[in-house]
Amino acid sequence: NAGVTQTPKFRVLKTGQSMTLLCAQDMNHEYMYWYRQDPGMGLRLIHYSVGEGTTAKGEVPDGYNVSRLKKQNFLLGLESAAPSQTSVYFCASSKAGHTGYTFGSGTRLTVV
Amino acid sequence: AQSVSQHNHHVILSEAASLELGCNYSYGGTVNLFWYVQYPGQHLQLLLKYFSGDPLVKGIKGFEAEFIKSKFSFNLRKPSVQWSDTAEYFCAVNGNNRKLIWGLGTSLAVNP
Repeated sequence: NAGVTQTPKFRVLKTGQSMTLLCAQDMNHEYMYWYRQDPGMGLRLIHYSVGEGTTAKGEVPDGYNVSRLKKQNFLLGLESAAPSQTSVYFCASSKAGHTGYTFGSGTRLTVV
Repeated sequence: AQSVSQHNHHVILSEAASLELGCNYSYGGTVNLFWYVQYPGQHLQLLLKYFSGDPLVKGIKGFEAEFIKSKFSFNLRKPSVQWSDTAEYFCAVNGNNRKLIWGLGTSLAVNP
């Protein structure tokens, strides 16, 4: 049982480039989330999804887009990367009703 | 709006010292409460959770937390810390929506 898998683990982008981060969960969880973690700022929610085909904005959605075409996958896209998007990105999933989140191992993204 | 406050941003202890990390939340209704731990370079893992029942909750690795409804608090405790407890600790609360509200985290350093 892999839990939540994030790919890639590390990435360096140039300003203006685009990329997609993939999150996959094998626990049949309904809810999925994308967070960014920056020093001194805790976890900030970017976007989340409460089911296949549905997404919603979190606290810091600007510059990011998401899609949840399949229940097990939640994709985070950066259309035009900026240095301010340098961060560690975590995906998480949970059952409906909040028994707690299961986190992926994170993606460390650097935008130069 | 719901919010979570963790009073201690950085804590330094010696091995065998007792630990108490404060967490207060603002929400007047029924809540689910969580403590997560993030070891250096790793993802967040669930330490313990409270949904209902006994307000003293025991988690993994000897941690416990007490829910005091009148104080809107959910403090994390451990009687005797070890060097391996060096990590960042996050308190989170879920009230009436589908997202967890996170504290900013407390960084714990345990000196051997």
